[in-house]
Amino acid sequence: AIQLTQSPSSLSASIGDRVTIACRTSQGISNALAWYQHKPGRPPKFLIFDVSSLESGVPSRFSGSGSGTDFTLTINSLQAEDFATYYCQQFYVYPYSFGQGTKLEI
Amino acid sequence: EVQLVESGGGLVKPGGSLRLSCTGSDFSFSSYTMHWVRQAPGKGLEWVSSISTSSSTMYYTDSVKGRFTISRDNAQNSLYLQMNNLRAEDTAVYYCARGKKIRLYYYIDYWGQGTLVTVSS
Repeated sequence: AIQLTQSPSSLSASIGDRVTIACRTSQGISNALAWYQHKPGRPPKFLIFDVSSLESGVPSRFSGSGSGTDFTLTINSLQAEDFATYYCQQFYVYPYSFGQGTKLEI
Repeated sequence: EVQLVESGGGLVKPGGSLRLSCTGSDFSFSSYTMHWVRQAPGKGLEWVSSISTSSSTMYYTDSVKGRFTISRDNAQNSLYLQMNNLRAEDTAVYYCARGKKIRLYYYIDYWGQGTLVTVSS
């Protein structure tokens, strides 16, 4: 199974900051990578697919990049509603594994 | 608005069984791969199982193989997860999720609110 390792596990930031979350895969996954935002008591929200394509309705301050085995989620100009846990997930091969999550805190 | 509503969670003893259900609405249920994803208390998301549109193909994470069975009824817009021989480590919120083909891959784009399964004596 493909392992996904996110870093950091937690991150403290302030409103207006720019933050970057990394996701490393144990083998190449082409561009089959998505990012999700998850808040307590709510279902995860689909943010990005194909490494860097923004899902409809997602603010443009969110962006994704990377290739091969190293991928990044960047959030520019943090807003209050962005504080949540973020997960990467690969859709290249089953099992569709997740990273362990990155908790973004104020 | 796409809706996925899970039901069937609850408290069950180790070794017991439970059947989760999920009903989809406001989309063409039969056209989408469907998934179950879970989150144990204080832990991250874990993909559990997937089923193709025609039920011809199912996949499972290793820890549930031989114990869980995914199925669907497209006429009823419903997805199921039969969970047998439950263990304490199966305790989690179970999410029903829709898989949408975008270009080459089938991404999970919508999730239900989740149903809590607690395995405890």
